[in-house]
Amino acid sequence: GENVEQHPSTLSVQEGDSAVIKCTYSDSASNYFPWYKQELGKRPQLIIDIRSNVGEKKDQRIAVTLNKTAKHFSLHITETQPEDSAVYFCAGLFGSYIPTFGRGTSLIVHP
Amino acid sequence: DTGVSQDPRHKITKRGQNVTFRCDPISEHNRLYWYRQTLGQGPEFLTYFQNEAQLEKSRLLSDRFSAERPKGSFSTLEIQRTEQGDSAMYLCASSRSGRALEETQYFGPGTRLLVL
Repeated sequence: GENVEQHPSTLSVQEGDSAVIKCTYSDSASNYFPWYKQELGKRPQLIIDIRSNVGEKKDQRIAVTLNKTAKHFSLHITETQPEDSAVYFCAGLFGSYIPTFGRGTSLIVHP
Repeated sequence: DTGVSQDPRHKITKRGQNVTFRCDPISEHNRLYWYRQTLGQGPEFLTYFQNEAQLEKSRLLSDRFSAERPKGSFSTLEIQRTEQGDSAMYLCASSRSGRALEETQYFGPGTRLLVL
């Protein structure tokens, strides 16, 4: 099946800095790439998604970029805050309704 | 709360026992998904329903696992003869089908299973 590689596995930043998480995929075409945030002991929650007909989408401090030629997409968080600390998962839908998730990035924002 | 709900939230059982989990999706959502998540990993797909039909099952899903969605609303996931390796968080998600392939999935809070 399709594989989604997510990097880094852990990201530690100071409050106010930017954070970037990158995901790559291999063979199949995909039209939809959601990002989920999961706080400790809580459910994954969709924070932003992007469809293949656009290269970038922004929602306040969060943005996602997509490069279909290079088969990678990235999450950008600006002006990070301690409450941004969580595990972030990227995902892609590759020819089915079943998303393939990355392994997650643990983001730690130090006050 | 009109989101996805799951019951129980936590379950501790002894190896060899059977357990059953329930998921109630968002009411207008016709698609329902079960995932398993272990520490340090993303959600791993187990099975998926559209209405009452089980359309896809992961090859990772052993025959000890069975899921149902008899009336196209809530779903149950049963694990028979539990093993310690079944210990994980079991997540349910739902979505609404549309013309586009891409559909946002909304997750429930999960059921954390510990097999002793």
